[in-house]
Amino acid sequence: DAGVIQSPRHEVTEMGQEVTLRCKPISGHDYLFWYRQTMMRGLELLIYFNNNVPIDDSGMPEDRFSAKMPNASFSTLKIQPSEPRDSAVYFCASSLPWTEGYTFGSGTRLTVV
Amino acid sequence: RKEVEQDPGPFNVPEGATVAFNCTYSNSASQSFFWYRQDCRKEPKLLMSVYSSGNEDGRFTAQLNRASQYISLLIRDSKLSDSATYLCVVMYSGGGADGLTFGKGTHLIIQP
Repeated sequence: DAGVIQSPRHEVTEMGQEVTLRCKPISGHDYLFWYRQTMMRGLELLIYFNNNVPIDDSGMPEDRFSAKMPNASFSTLKIQPSEPRDSAVYFCASSLPWTEGYTFGSGTRLTVV
Repeated sequence: RKEVEQDPGPFNVPEGATVAFNCTYSNSASQSFFWYRQDCRKEPKLLMSVYSSGNEDGRFTAQLNRASQYISLLIRDSKLSDSATYLCVVMYSGGGADGLTFGKGTHLIIQP
């Protein structure tokens, strides 16, 4: 099993540009999560999907953020326009039932200058 | 408000020593508990679940104290490779991802 695959690993972009982060969950996992991690705030849940359907997006900070899951094997998180305060590590994770824990991808380190 | 609190550390511990740290949670409706480990510039990885009766996995022991609302992680005979940040995770009875809360982590440094 290749695990949760995220791309790109690193992204440096200029303020105002559109950024798209990608995630391929583990095959068979029903749940997919997008998290953001910063030193100040720790891990924050942005949005999660169950069977490709967005269930809770209350963690999405602003309308500049959007996420999609067009099929069971792919999800995107888009930021448009990006701002310096969006700089963080963005993790995607997938799971079966909650009690079995999550598997995280390697993350995308985003720097907006 | 759902709070999961951890001492950020760092805990500086000599190799071979025993170290323990706690995590407190505020919502008494919490149902499930986990410890995750995160290495520098890496993703969090599940270390172990925490059961009501306590559980052990090699050198690691996790315990739950529902009366005082905290969980603990004890590491015996610490190794240099144990240096990492340990994240406490609490799931509330509401379930769903909004019922899963991560602490900010405790940074552990094992010194030779």
